[in-house]
Amino acid sequence: EIVMTQSPATLSMSPGERATLSCRASQTVSSNLAWYQQKPGQAPRLLIYGASTRATGVPARFSGSGSGTEFTLTISSLQSEDFAVYYCQQYNNWPPWTFGQGTKVEIK
Amino acid sequence: EVKLVQSGAEVKKPGESLKISCKGSGFSFSSYWIGWVRQMSGKGLEWMGIIYPGDSDTRYSPSFQGQVTISADKSIYTAYLQWSSLKASDSAMYYCAFPLLVPDVFDIWGQGTKVTVSS
Repeated sequence: EIVMTQSPATLSMSPGERATLSCRASQTVSSNLAWYQQKPGQAPRLLIYGASTRATGVPARFSGSGSGTEFTLTISSLQSEDFAVYYCQQYNNWPPWTFGQGTKVEIK
Repeated sequence: EVKLVQSGAEVKKPGESLKISCKGSGFSFSSYWIGWVRQMSGKGLEWMGIIYPGDSDTRYSPSFQGQVTISADKSIYTAYLQWSSLKASDSAMYYCAFPLLVPDVFDIWGQGTKVTVSS
């Protein structure tokens, strides 16, 4: 099973700041990496797939990069609605696809 | 509108059986893999398994193999997740999802079904 490790666990940021979230895979997943956003009481929402392609309707302030084992999600200027938990997920190897443990972006 | 609608919250006792559902609409249900994801309270997301309703091909995550049964009835656009004997540790939120636009990229999610198992 591929282990996905996200860092940091919590990111305390102010609105307008740039947020950088990291995700590392225990073995290569090529570019088969997705990022999800989850707010309290809601289902996950797909933000990024293919490591760097924004899903439909996702604002341009969200960007993804990386390949192989190292990936980054960047939010260029945090808006109030961006404070949430973010998960990376590899879909290169089944079984099973695996998520990281999440990074919580909270208001400083 | 493309959507997945899940059955309502359940409260059960240990040892009881349970089957929750996920009904699709607005797309060709038989032609997409439907996945189930567990989220225990305050914790992260875990893939449980996937099913292709067209032929009922089902694949389980090793952690969930033998613990749950995933099934589907393509005639009524519904996938199911069931337990034969619930444990307290099965208490969680369960989501179904499917990849509408890109294979293996799950972009459409149900609203979740909360399962509580308590004596």
